[in-house]
Amino acid sequence: GENVEQHPSTLSVQEGDSAVIKCTYSDSASNYFPWYKQELGKRPQLIIDIRSNVGEKKDQRIAVTLNKTAKHFSLHITETQPEDSAVYFCAASPWYRDDKIIFGKGTRLHILP
Amino acid sequence: DAGVIQSPRHEVTEMGQEVTLRCKPISGHDYLFWYRQTMMRGLELLIYFNNNVPIDDSGMPEDRFSAKMPNASFSTLKIQPSEPRDSAVYFCASSLSFPRDGNQPQHFGDGTRLSIL
Repeated sequence: GENVEQHPSTLSVQEGDSAVIKCTYSDSASNYFPWYKQELGKRPQLIIDIRSNVGEKKDQRIAVTLNKTAKHFSLHITETQPEDSAVYFCAASPWYRDDKIIFGKGTRLHILP
Repeated sequence: DAGVIQSPRHEVTEMGQEVTLRCKPISGHDYLFWYRQTMMRGLELLIYFNNNVPIDDSGMPEDRFSAKMPNASFSTLKIQPSEPRDSAVYFCASSLSFPRDGNQPQHFGDGTRLSIL
C-alpha cells in the first residue's frame, strides 16, 4: 500500500521568508496529492491539491510541485505571515483506491516575528 | 451550510467504559470518513462509508472499535471497552464524491477530543 513520508516535522521561518515542506510517496500509482492546513485546536482544511497530470499549481502565496519520476511533491509558501503558523499535512491517493487518502505525519510550521 | 457536525467536542471517561462519538455529515455528501489523530501516529483513517455502506474498515485498530451509519445524516464510532491508549482526537469528514473528482475536498468536523483515564 501507499506510504507517505513528510519532512521536516518542524519548521521555523522568519516572517516574510519562504517555507518549503517536502513529501515522498511509495506507490507510483498515486495520482492525487492534496495538502491540508490544521491550525491549533481546529479541523484540517484543504488548501491546495495537485493531480499527476500537472507538475505545478499555484494559488496566491501557495504553490505545490510534483515530480512523478522521483515520487516527491512539495508545498511552497512565499512571503510567510503569522497566520501561516499551523500544521501542514500532505497526502496521496492511488488511482486504484481513489476513495482513500494516505496522510503524511505533518509539519509544524512556526512563523517567527 | 453548517458543515460536518461532531459531538461531543470533548469526552473524558474512565477506562472500561463505552464511548460513542457522533457525526452528522454535510447534507448531500455520500462519503463519510472517520479519522484518529495522535502526536505519535498522525492522522489515521479508521473507516469510511459510501451511501451508508462501510467500504473499508482496515484502519480500525481492533474489535473494540465499531462504526455504523444507519442513515445518510448520521454516523457513530463506538469504543467498547475503552482504554487509555484510545485517547486521541477523532475527526469525521464527508465528501460529495471522491475528493479528486471535480475538486471536491474532504470536509472535516471540529473533532472530538477523547481522554480515557
